[in-house]
Amino acid sequence: RKEVEQDPGPFNVPEGATVAFNCTYSNSASQSFFWYRQDCRKEPKLLMSVYSSGNEDGRFTAQLNRASQYISLLIRDSKLSDSATYLCVVNRAGAGSYQLTFGKGTKLSVIP
Amino acid sequence: SQTIHQWPATLVQPVGSPLSLECTVEGTSNPNLYWYRQAAGRGLQLLFYSVGIGQISSEVPQNLSASRPQDRQFILSSKKLLLSDSGFYLCAWSVLGLANEQFFGPGTRLTVL
Repeated sequence: RKEVEQDPGPFNVPEGATVAFNCTYSNSASQSFFWYRQDCRKEPKLLMSVYSSGNEDGRFTAQLNRASQYISLLIRDSKLSDSATYLCVVNRAGAGSYQLTFGKGTKLSVIP
Repeated sequence: SQTIHQWPATLVQPVGSPLSLECTVEGTSNPNLYWYRQAAGRGLQLLFYSVGIGQISSEVPQNLSASRPQDRQFILSSKKLLLSDSGFYLCAWSVLGLANEQFFGPGTRLTVL
């Protein structure tokens, strides 16, 4: 099993649609989880951290299932500006570890 | 607020030439610093990380090296570039703590011909 695995997409959705991305990770000792967004030919930017209880930031909702080692990101009311690649990120092992492992990303295209 | 700078933004170099990429961070002290490479169509690969001045850990064997001469300066170097060194080089910083978020610089796009 790969350390962090994501569906590469692309996901092509109309404006206003709801879209969900999934991610699985292999290291059960991982403690920190994130979603990053990367625009074409730009650096990744932190979108949101993922907490055990689930968390929401505007139109974005992140969920974590530790038992299944599964992370999700839900985007509601998609905007054209949401078009980007979304990276699932997990810290390498154990609390306090500062090394992150990045998934290869899921590409989203929001269509007018 | 914290900012991170990388230069140059783009670079075209011949095979066998040397390389020096620089990264500096402002607005924070004692950051952890990282060098990543993102090859076309691939994920981010961690190359080096540093927890302090002069402390460098290498993640993968390669012809690249890194140095941290000052607290907020991180340099990526090579004596002789290979074609396979082409890619998007990203510097990132984080601060010690459970959250572990990393923040990236704008990157250097390197093409080796």
